Amino acid sequence: SAVISQKPSRDICQRGTSLTIQCQVDSQVTMMFWYRQQPGQSLTLIATANQGSEATYESGFVIDKFPISRPNLTFSTLTVSNMSPEDSSIYLCSVELRAGGGYGYTFGSGTRLTVV
Amino acid sequence: SQQGEEDPQALSIQEGENATMNCSYKTSINNLQWYRQNSGRGLVHLILIRSNEREKHSGRLRVTLDTSKKSSSLLITASRAADTASYFCATDVGNRDDKIIFGKGTRLHILP
Repeated sequence: SAVISQKPSRDICQRGTSLTIQCQVDSQVTMMFWYRQQPGQSLTLIATANQGSEATYESGFVIDKFPISRPNLTFSTLTVSNMSPEDSSIYLCSVELRAGGGYGYTFGSGTRLTVV
Repeated sequence: SQQGEEDPQALSIQEGENATMNCSYKTSINNLQWYRQNSGRGLVHLILIRSNEREKHSGRLRVTLDTSKKSSSLLITASRAADTASYFCATDVGNRDDKIIFGKGTRLHILP
């Protein structure tokens, strides 16, 4: 199964600034997924990123706030823009365990973001 | 919208005992998955059970699925300190093959 390297692992940022989170996969994958996990909560899907097309955002998430890049089949970035304390969360990227779906997902180690 | 709901929200047991966590969901599914998360880090995929399966084993893990009751259980036998973590169930969304919805999780604490 794919292995994901996610960075940074954590950051403390000033409100109004932006942070870009990177995920590198050790194999080519069609879809990459970005999740947010607010403190003490479950994971919520932000968007799905396909290489060569714009990301598909879930309800409640917009591209201006969470722009995503997917320049190739092994890499993606998520930017949290114009941050406020409410953006303090863990952000995780994910890919399918096996191509074709229906086998589960593997996750990056997460980015713990604190906005002050 | 929430699909899976884990029960209990938190569980503390003595090392060596068995831990059972339950998950209920609302709509029909193709599969249900269980994940472990240590200390707010990345999730680790534990096991996937398909809608036509009733039970699945992986090491000390046993997962059951009852589609008539829309529920699943995760049993960890002979618990160890390293099993201390949060456990989440996740279900697919019927009309999408790329999206899964996570429950709120069960925080399991293994006491020495």
